[in-house]
Amino acid sequence: DAKTTQPNSMESNEEEPVHLPCNHSTISGTDYIHWYRQLPSQGPEYVIHGLTSNVNNRMASLAIAEDRKSSTLILHRATLRDAAVYYCILRPVLADKLIFGTGTRLQVFP
Amino acid sequence: DAGITQSPRHKVTETGTPVTLRCHQTENHRYMYWYRQDPGHGLRLIHYSYGVKDTDKGEVSDGYSVSRSKTEDFLLTLESATSSQTSVYFCATTPTSTYEQYFGPGTRLTVT
Repeated sequence: DAKTTQPNSMESNEEEPVHLPCNHSTISGTDYIHWYRQLPSQGPEYVIHGLTSNVNNRMASLAIAEDRKSSTLILHRATLRDAAVYYCILRPVLADKLIFGTGTRLQVFP
Repeated sequence: DAGITQSPRHKVTETGTPVTLRCHQTENHRYMYWYRQDPGHGLRLIHYSYGVKDTDKGEVSDGYSVSRSKTEDFLLTLESATSSQTSVYFCATTPTSTYEQYFGPGTRLTVT
């Protein structure tokens, strides 16, 4: 399975944009890029996913590099509730499971 | 919420005793998963099910067994609990393997 590399931790101030990077240099053409986040003392929750094009939803935006070797999760205005561990995961198109890494712990300061 | 409950939510047990954790869903999702989460390891897949009576191993399946006799229930059994199985266990479900997974609230298991 292709692997992802994320920074262990990042910090942001409230109401500022946050860009969470993910490197996946061994990604294959049929791997989807998924992002989940885990708030303290909760199970993970789905954030967004994409294949080649940038994606937007109510929670975040996903920017995918043209060569697909990296991607960035964008939180447009961080809130204190966005403090969580964010996981970048590659899912092969026919795979029926997700393989989580250790993610990026995002701290948001008021 | 995808209507996922886990029971018990907390359990303390002794080494060598059998333990069964239950995941119950009300969404009629086909796929169900068991993960464990330990400090420094993120979430690791233990076993998963792709239908009633259809299960497969994940990354860390040794020491665990699962059963799924009904769509709504997925049981994780530790036949003889060890201290290394102290962890937080999460259940997840999804209607299809390509869809997002929905996670339960977790079960904190301590093996003394």
